[in-house]
Amino acid sequence: EIVLTQSPGTLSLSPGERATLSCRASQSVSSSYLAWYQQKPGQAPRLLIYGASSRATGIPDRFSGSGSGTDFTLTISRLEPEDFAVYYCQQYGNSPPTFGGGTKVEIK
Amino acid sequence: EVQLLESGGGLVQPGGSLRLSCAASGFTFSSYAMSWVRQAPGKGLEWVSGISDSGGSTYYADSVKGRFTISRDNSKNTLYLQMNSLRAEDTAVYYCAKPRDRSGYYYLWGYWGQGTLVTVSS
Repeated sequence: EIVLTQSPGTLSLSPGERATLSCRASQSVSSSYLAWYQQKPGQAPRLLIYGASSRATGIPDRFSGSGSGTDFTLTISRLEPEDFAVYYCQQYGNSPPTFGGGTKVEIK
Repeated sequence: EVQLLESGGGLVQPGGSLRLSCAASGFTFSSYAMSWVRQAPGKGLEWVSGISDSGGSTYYADSVKGRFTISRDNSKNTLYLQMNSLRAEDTAVYYCAKPRDRSGYYYLWGYWGQGTLVTVSS
């Protein structure tokens, strides 16, 4: 199975700052079938990005995804108060689907 | 509006059984593959099981293979997860998840239920 490693584990930033989250795969992710989810405490995950760079419906354009092969990045251009949460990457091109361990974006 | 409502969670002893349900509405249930994804307390997400739209094909994570059974009743718009031989490490919130669309990417989940907590403890 494809192992996804996210870094850093925790990102401490202030509102208005830029956040850069990394996701590295143990082998190439088929056709960039890489997604990003946001999860807030007590809530289900929410799909942000799919196909490595396409925003899901209703996702603000401050969220962007990039990358291919084994290295992917989620960027939040200017953090809003509601963006402080845990972010997971997930590959859905190979079975079984797998998730990274998550990056927590916390208020500095 | 897509809605997924899980139920059936609770406290069960090691070795016991539990059946989870997920009532779906707001979309044509029989047209979509569905999945269960779990999250242990304070931990990350783990795909557990998936089932094709007709129910004819089922898929499992190695960690639950032989112990869990996924099924669906398209006449009742309901997804199930029968969990047997439960272990402490099965303790988690279990989410029902639906693909984003009918593009064939079964494991790209655009819709999630609120989850149901399963606790395996003596």
